[in-house]
Amino acid sequence: DIVMTQSPDSLAVSLGERATINCKSSQSLFYSSNNQNYLAWYQQKSGQPPKLLLYWASTRESGVPDRFSGSGSGTDFTLTISSLQAEDVAVYYCQQYRSSDLTFGGGTKVEIK
Amino acid sequence: QLQLQESGPGLVKSLETLSLTCSVSGGSISSSNYYWGWIRQPPGKGLEWIGSMYYSGSPYYEPSLKSRLTISVDMSKNQFSLRLSSVTAADTAIYYCARQPITIFGAAGGWLDRWGQGMLVTVSS
Repeated sequence: DIVMTQSPDSLAVSLGERATINCKSSQSLFYSSNNQNYLAWYQQKSGQPPKLLLYWASTRESGVPDRFSGSGSGTDFTLTISSLQAEDVAVYYCQQYRSSDLTFGGGTKVEIK
Repeated sequence: QLQLQESGPGLVKSLETLSLTCSVSGGSISSSNYYWGWIRQPPGKGLEWIGSMYYSGSPYYEPSLKSRLTISVDMSKNQFSLRLSSVTAADTAIYYCARQPITIFGAAGGWLDRWGQGMLVTVSS
């Protein structure tokens, strides 16, 4: 299995400030045939199912605000919330689909400072 | 608008079989563009992929669950199902079904773009 490791486990950010979440994979998620990184990001608010934010590491799902962005390649990836809003309080997960056996990171809890 | 809805018993006895069904509305489970998957989340913990299947192919199972797991599809009802045998307290979780767009290159299914609301299944001793 490809192991996904997120950091930090939690972070507290002031409203309007930047939040940065890291995700590292045990194997490269880059596929040269289509020059894509096989990584997705999700947001899960309390009591709700996860919501897809980004796929191909940096492509925003329809309707996702542009304050959410993804970067990185190979084994190291970052989710950035450029200006944290109150509604962004949630747990965020990365997920690889480079292998048919999908794996998720352990999650990062984002709170308001 | 595509919707997925999990259903089944919310309480299962230890060592018995957990059975859940995901009903899909607003789209066809036999679409050539998607896999369909199950994911679970123990209370207060992270997400764990269980398995995925294409309507006309063999399913993919999480290796640690493979010996106890069966995922199947009923195209006539536009549903897919999960059966997990010999359950223990460690299988207590919220179980989600989800849609998985196919990726043309590399692995089979990709990200999970539509999710059901989830169903809590508790294993009792």
